[in-house]
Amino acid sequence: EIVMTQSPATLSQSPGERATLSCRASQYVSNIVAWYQQKPGQPPRLLIYGASTRATGIPARFSGSGSGTEFTLTISSLQSEDFAVYYCQQYNNWPRTFGQGTRVEIK
Amino acid sequence: QVQLQESGPGLVKPSQTLSLTCTVTGGSISSGDYYWSWIRQPPGKGLEWIGYVYFNGVTYYNPSLKSRLTISVDTSRKQFSMNLNSVSAADTAIYYCAREYCSSTNCPAWFDTWGQGTLVTVSS
Repeated sequence: EIVMTQSPATLSQSPGERATLSCRASQYVSNIVAWYQQKPGQPPRLLIYGASTRATGIPARFSGSGSGTEFTLTISSLQSEDFAVYYCQQYNNWPRTFGQGTRVEIK
Repeated sequence: QVQLQESGPGLVKPSQTLSLTCTVTGGSISSGDYYWSWIRQPPGKGLEWIGYVYFNGVTYYNPSLKSRLTISVDTSRKQFSMNLNSVSAADTAIYYCAREYCSSTNCPAWFDTWGQGTLVTVSS
């Protein structure tokens, strides 16, 4: 099973700042990684697939990068609605696995 | 726009079977472009993929749950279901059904649509 490790566990940032979230896979997964956003009481929402392609309706301030084992989700300028928990997920191998999440909180 | 809705008991006794159904509205469950999955999230914790079913009944399960799990599909009712037997407190979680997209290079691939989730508590 591929383990996805996210860092940091919590990111304290102010609105307008740039946020950088990291995800590391325990094995090579090419660019077969997705990112999701989850707000309290809601299901996850797909943000990014293929490591760098934004899903339909996702604002351009969200961008993804990386390949192999190292991946990054960047939020260029945090808006109030972006404070949430973010998960990475690999779909290159079975079983599908998720990172443990990074909480982006208001500083 | 396709929507998914989970249904089932919110409380299950230890050693019994957890049964949930997901109803698909606004789209076809028989489209070959999608797989239909279950994912769970213990309160305050991360996400665990449980397994999927394809419209033709093909299934694939997480090895950690495979011995206790059955997932099935009823295309006439536009529903898919899961049964997890011999449950314990460790199975207490929010259970989500989700649609997994089949891309040109990976099939299935990412989860593009999720239900709202249903909390299932295992307790006597």
